[in-house]
Amino acid sequence: AQTVTQSQPEMSVQEAETVTLSCTYDTSENNYYLFWYKQPPSRQMILVIRQEAYKQQNATENRFSVNFQKAAKSFSLKISDSQLGDTAMYFCASANDYKLSFGAGTTVTVRA
Amino acid sequence: DAGVIQSPRHEVTEMGQEVTLRCKPISGHNSLFWYRQTMMRGLELLIYFNNNVPIDDSGMPEDRFSAKMPNASFSTLKIQPSEPRDSAVYFCASSRQGLVRDGYTFGSGTRLTVV
Repeated sequence: AQTVTQSQPEMSVQEAETVTLSCTYDTSENNYYLFWYKQPPSRQMILVIRQEAYKQQNATENRFSVNFQKAAKSFSLKISDSQLGDTAMYFCASANDYKLSFGAGTTVTVRA
Repeated sequence: DAGVIQSPRHEVTEMGQEVTLRCKPISGHNSLFWYRQTMMRGLELLIYFNNNVPIDDSGMPEDRFSAKMPNASFSTLKIQPSEPRDSAVYFCASSRQGLVRDGYTFGSGTRLTVV
């Protein structure tokens, strides 16, 4: 079984600033995948970024990047140059085989 | 591609009524998932189909819930009889088999309210 923990229920950031969301996970698997999903008020679940556990290099997608610390089972998301459209709930998830297990989510509010 | 299509977007029903939620996965995706999202429990996997066959239904809450996938392009989640505690957002998601590394593509969800 995989468990995912997001310890920050809410975060607030000024437009153009940087915010980092924390995520830890627990798995007994050697090969697994990690994801960050964004859920804006429209409630659509949007894949933001993914990381393969066997890759040491941290994934980057435009303004979104991760800090993957495999030994610590940590997978944080950094949003740089925050924009108003980044306001959403962000879910960390881990996957092995077919099942995605989600954390409780962090609500991010970007202030103008 | 139109993405994963769910209907209806909103559903309000009275306790005891039957509710049917519908999902059309992305063409070519042969894995389909139903998730439920609530404030208390977050996102929970209800059932997973692979090639139209239910593989893991351990997340289905009780016998009132049933899911079918009669063909590769259609799935239903049925609740009969519905109860107020079933109120939630229900998501359908699909992926290509064996490619969980790509993540899932989610539909827009159905918000169910049982009064």
